[in-house]
Amino acid sequence: DTGVSQDPRHKITKRGQNVTFRCDPISEHNRLYWYRQTLGQGPEFLTYFQNEAQLEKSRLLSDRFSAERPKGSFSTLEIQRTEQGDSAMYLCASSLNGQGRSYNEQFFGPGTRLTVL
Amino acid sequence: DAKTTQPNSMESNEEEPVHLPCNHSTISGTDYIHWYRQLPSQGPEYVIHGLTSNVNNRMASLAIAEDRKSSTLILHRATLRDAAVYYCILRDVIKAAGNKLTFGGGTRVLVKP
Repeated sequence: DTGVSQDPRHKITKRGQNVTFRCDPISEHNRLYWYRQTLGQGPEFLTYFQNEAQLEKSRLLSDRFSAERPKGSFSTLEIQRTEQGDSAMYLCASSLNGQGRSYNEQFFGPGTRLTVL
Repeated sequence: DAKTTQPNSMESNEEEPVHLPCNHSTISGTDYIHWYRQLPSQGPEYVIHGLTSNVNNRMASLAIAEDRKSSTLILHRATLRDAAVYYCILRDVIKAAGNKLTFGGGTRVLVKP
């Protein structure tokens, strides 16, 4: 399977614990995005990378959230001191950005569902 | 940012066409109209996009109004596998804001056998 993969698919944690999610994008894609989706809502943008550089962060991304893409390949999203409000589906997407493209189709992974008790 | 308005839900019978409307009255000249859909328990997937002219691909057709203030996604023969939430999204290809997808609430499509 050459699609976007995410690990783990499900995570249950207690309030106050730290969690880390991993995303492996499609191999040649230079952009990687993180979104969060709560029940009944559309996904909300969190942050994105072009190669290893984090180019934009949403105001939704509080100080407890940090994302990295150290070698421009896989990415991790860490949430420190989790709160019940962090319970959501965390979606990763990747795209190939280049000159002359009028759009950059984003390919999404299956998501990591986080439940904070 | 230009916003889109879609009905919350629509129902269709299997093998009948489905027309999903989207209003985007504040669209700018550099906004492309994109559609994504999200099947149950999956991440969103790209469906189609356009700027001014109507577009067709293997999944659907996109009809864009002449003034570009509205568009319609057309599923020609709905199958049970088309049951999903469909999102209409504007992406500005000039501004950096177009790098991300801004999802609204979407339209939940129910296909009845």
